[in-house]
Amino acid sequence: DAGITQSPRHKVTETGTPVTLRCHQTENHRYMYWYRQDPGHGLRLIHYSYGVKDTDKGEVSDGYSVSRSKTEDFLLTLESATSSQTSVYFCAIRLTGDSTDTQYFGPGTRLTVL
Amino acid sequence: DQQVKQNSPSLSVQEGRISILNCDYTNSMFDYFLWYKKYPAEGPTFLISISSIKDKNEDGRFTVFLNKSAKHLSLHIVPSQPGDSAVYFCAASLTGTASKLTFGTGTRLQVTL
Repeated sequence: DAGITQSPRHKVTETGTPVTLRCHQTENHRYMYWYRQDPGHGLRLIHYSYGVKDTDKGEVSDGYSVSRSKTEDFLLTLESATSSQTSVYFCAIRLTGDSTDTQYFGPGTRLTVL
Repeated sequence: DQQVKQNSPSLSVQEGRISILNCDYTNSMFDYFLWYKKYPAEGPTFLISISSIKDKNEDGRFTVFLNKSAKHLSLHIVPSQPGDSAVYFCAASLTGTASKLTFGTGTRLQVTL
């Protein structure tokens, strides 16, 4: 268990409201990621971070911003939520070792925008 | 533009038989590939990976084959078990590492009794 949690796990909000999702890790991993999962699209990268205050865009970054002020926390913000942002959001960290290099995923946050 | 494609949305296999999940990619610069399994209401979990310098990697019941000339990889599960029923995603990287991954759309595997 790489010690990654996401909060909230479920959220229902209204169009136009701001929403922040939190990803927290306990093992000082450098890389952190935010993905969304939608039917027919698989997992798509929204933003990622390669260190404190170092972030970059993924393939579906429009409408999203991120912040990483501490190693352990990576926040995803929807400034003004839209119905098209209804999705399941997964946070991930990169795990590296002698014989492994992979991404480890959190349990997900189901977001519904009405 | 989908650079990593899983053209079969679903697959049904009998318990004990071989499951073969396929993945095609369009960018010949991809050099590291991974397979993940996902159960409902959980995050994806890593299964197996392969570097482009290899054409096969095995881990227990799971084997991944890479055909670089065809830009194709496959995951073989032998023998298939009911607990293997899940959605399987392939992923690819341009960096030789897992620092940035592009995922396919997934294949739902159902293993029947």
